[in-house]
Amino acid sequence: GAVVSQHPSRVICKSGTSVKIECRSLDFQATTMFWYRQFPKQSLMLMATSNEGSKATYEQGVEKDKFLINHASLTLSTLTVTSAHPEDSSFYICSARASGLANEQYFGPGTRLTVT
Amino acid sequence: QKEVEQNSGPLSVPEGAIASLNCTYSDRVSQSFFWYRQYSGKSPELIMSIYSNGDKEDGRFTAQLNKASQYVSLLIRDSQPSDSATYLCAVKPGSARQLTFGSGTQLTVLP
Repeated sequence: GAVVSQHPSRVICKSGTSVKIECRSLDFQATTMFWYRQFPKQSLMLMATSNEGSKATYEQGVEKDKFLINHASLTLSTLTVTSAHPEDSSFYICSARASGLANEQYFGPGTRLTVT
Repeated sequence: QKEVEQNSGPLSVPEGAIASLNCTYSDRVSQSFFWYRQYSGKSPELIMSIYSNGDKEDGRFTAQLNKASQYVSLLIRDSQPSDSATYLCAVKPGSARQLTFGSGTQLTVLP
């Protein structure tokens, strides 16, 4: 199957700082990438959808100025959590889809963010 | 009504048994259906995709789709303790770009 990487896998940051998470499709070109957040023992929550070269579409309730998404190339999308607060601590997971993969979405391994 | 519904479980089966996981969806024009496995603390892993009515088999896994009943299921034969995980059903509604996920069914395979 297609491989998606994410970096870093874990990050601890202080309240008020910003954190950037990278998501890369390693063996295919991802026309669309998705960012999810998952709190312990809860379901995946879609935060935003991004297409290469265009602005991300954010889900209702997700602050676009706080969660900056850049999909600069067909293999890379970044999520920047700005002015992080402890309540932003969560498991952030990206997924990617290529047009030739029959709508299949492949997930990265996730990034566990802890804001102190 | 949720767009994709799954029994949250937990579902427990003995080792070697068949585990049956069920999912219903509300959008009649959905065309793509997926099962993901998520181990605790890990991200989801795609294990099956199905697009046509009927059964699709891959190793110990069989996905079943019935579009008339808006129902998709996953059977795991010869269940192993390593199959213990949360199984997520995902559906691509007709015109949406993103998948809609169920809340997942927690499966425990008892040794």
